[in-house]
Amino acid sequence: NFVLTQPHSVSESPGKTVIISCTRSSGSIASNYVQWYQQRPGSSPTTVIYEDDERPSGVPDRFSATFDTSSNSASLTISGLKTEDEAVYYCQSYNSSTWVFGGGTKLTVL
Amino acid sequence: QVKLVESGGGVVQPGRSLRLSCAVSGLIFRSYGMHWVRQAPGKGPEWVAAILYDGSRKYYGDSVKGRFTISRDNSKNTLYLQMNSLRVEDTAVYYCGKDPKKQEPLPYGVDVWGQGTTVTVSS
Repeated sequence: NFVLTQPHSVSESPGKTVIISCTRSSGSIASNYVQWYQQRPGSSPTTVIYEDDERPSGVPDRFSATFDTSSNSASLTISGLKTEDEAVYYCQSYNSSTWVFGGGTKLTVL
Repeated sequence: QVKLVESGGGVVQPGRSLRLSCAVSGLIFRSYGMHWVRQAPGKGPEWVAAILYDGSRKYYGDSVKGRFTISRDNSKNTLYLQMNSLRVEDTAVYYCGKDPKKQEPLPYGVDVWGQGTTVTVSS
């Protein structure tokens, strides 16, 4: 199995841009789709990115994602930060038999 | 509008069993793979199990393998999780989730989540 490593926390001001990374320990980040989930306190997770860079309907285009094979990592970019973006963000990927979540990154918008 | 509604959670003693259900509406259920994901108090999500759209293949996390069984009834648009030999460490909110793509040969993630049902294992 592999591990997805995320920074524990990030903070940024409203209107700015933040990037959250997700590094895969083994196996290529490009081999399997990466998803990103948002979880506000007391709420169920919601999906902001699936299939590497696709946004579900209703998710604003301020949310985007990419991956970098040289660092074997994926990144979630949130631009034009709003206070409502404050949440924990989890990346998730898989291989042929297991699905793995990253440990989560707490985003503070201050 | 796609909707997933979990039920069946509750308080149960260690070693006992529980069956969770997830009623799905707003889509052609039989076309999508499905997942169960759980989240223990104060922890991040943990993938539990996945099932192919037609039920032909099932996958389990190491912590539940041999104790939990995922299944689906496509005629009832319902996903199930049979949980046997429950342990204190199975205490969590259990979410069902829908795979993003139709008839995907390997379910890969979730694009729609349910609201969750709470399972507490305690003596």
